[in-house]
Amino acid sequence: EDKVVQSPLSLVVHEGDTVTLNCSYEVTNFRSLLWYKQEKKAPTFLFMLTSSGIEKKSGRLSSILDKKELFSILNITATQTGDSAIYLCAVDFYNQGGKLIFGQGTELSVKP
Amino acid sequence: NAGVTQTPKFRILKIGQSMTLQCAQDMNHNYMYWYRQDPGMGLKLIYYSVGAGITDKGEVPNGYNVSRSTTEDFPLRLELAAPSQTSVYFCASSYTPPGQVAEQFFGPGTRLTVL
Repeated sequence: EDKVVQSPLSLVVHEGDTVTLNCSYEVTNFRSLLWYKQEKKAPTFLFMLTSSGIEKKSGRLSSILDKKELFSILNITATQTGDSAIYLCAVDFYNQGGKLIFGQGTELSVKP
Repeated sequence: NAGVTQTPKFRILKIGQSMTLQCAQDMNHNYMYWYRQDPGMGLKLIYYSVGAGITDKGEVPNGYNVSRSTTEDFPLRLELAAPSQTSVYFCASSYTPPGQVAEQFFGPGTRLTVL
């Protein structure tokens, strides 16, 4: 059975801290891994990773994929209260119509 | 562009009732998806569609039906509502070229309670 597991499930930090969120997967026909941020409503796209070892970066957020060890991390440096959200990772597959399998999510709370 | 729209925003159903959750997108996306999200959980795929007239089951299809008669619309039907279907439902769409992966755009969600 395909499985995507995120850790930790929840995290509380203070503004300015750096956080690392983890996503591991056990799936067949892996094609890519995606990160989404979910604030009060719908998830919004952050990154798509298809190649191992290549860091994707957007401002204070960065992510990297390790296809050998089957995991990805999402780093957020100098956290702000606006980073408080649920962070979801999802895995996409070859030949399966673009469907995604999501992890449970990590709920990040950034305190002032 | 309105993006992905969903109606209604909230709904309370009694056990055994039926309803249709509406989803529409105006981005000419070929792929559309329905997910449910239970408290403290990630999203689970219910059904998806790669184009008008084509639908397929996701991880948790039981108790639901879909149709895709046009590119724009992808309604989700609950025939006999059960308390286990209490959840937040998200519709999403993407423009996915053949053999590629693409970002999915999500609607604002429908919060459904079955009592």
